[in-house]
Amino acid sequence: GQQLNQSPQSMFIQEGEDVSMNCTSSSIFNTWLWYKQDPGEGPVLLIALYKAGELTSNGRLTAQFGITRKDSFLNISASIPSDVGIYFCAGQTYGAGNMLTFGGGTRLMVKP
Amino acid sequence: NAGVTQTPKFRILKIGQSMTLQCTQDMNHNYMYWYRQDPGMGLKLIYYSVGAGITDKGEVPNGYNVSRSTTEDFPLRLELAAPSQTSVYFCASSNHRLAGYNEQFFGPGTRLTVL
Repeated sequence: GQQLNQSPQSMFIQEGEDVSMNCTSSSIFNTWLWYKQDPGEGPVLLIALYKAGELTSNGRLTAQFGITRKDSFLNISASIPSDVGIYFCAGQTYGAGNMLTFGGGTRLMVKP
Repeated sequence: NAGVTQTPKFRILKIGQSMTLQCTQDMNHNYMYWYRQDPGMGLKLIYYSVGAGITDKGEVPNGYNVSRSTTEDFPLRLELAAPSQTSVYFCASSNHRLAGYNEQFFGPGTRLTVL
């Protein structure tokens, strides 16, 4: 099946620092999505990207849909303790079921 | 709207037992999905449904069954539980649009342990 390589696997940063994480794939996706998962909860959608080259912001979060449609990055500026969690990228293929392929996740830890 | 709800939150099964994980959504979404998440890993698709009466296999369907008799409900059945099925199970739903605004919304998960 399709594979998404997400990096880094984990990050331990100081509050106030900026964070960057990315996903790459050998396959093309129609949509890139970034989710955050808090402990004991289901993933919650942060940002959705629909067009190659698109750059989208949501508060302190900025994400881009790579021009080749095979990669995406997520930046978090001025991190705060509540940013702690696991961040997943997901590529979506349109068609039967509009299925998602998930990356392995980036575990973010923020030191106050 | 409650969104996507799942029951139970936790369950411990003995090897060979069976159980049904319940999932309900109140957003009138056509599409529904079941994923499993193993420790430290991303989510893998077990089964999905594009509407009532229609289901199809995902990446890891072995050992599971599903049904979709209504738009709202999409139960996942484990017939003969095995330790390899110890995982956290997430249900999700989305609308049926092809191009955009068809993001999947997830339930809170069911944590299953098979001993």
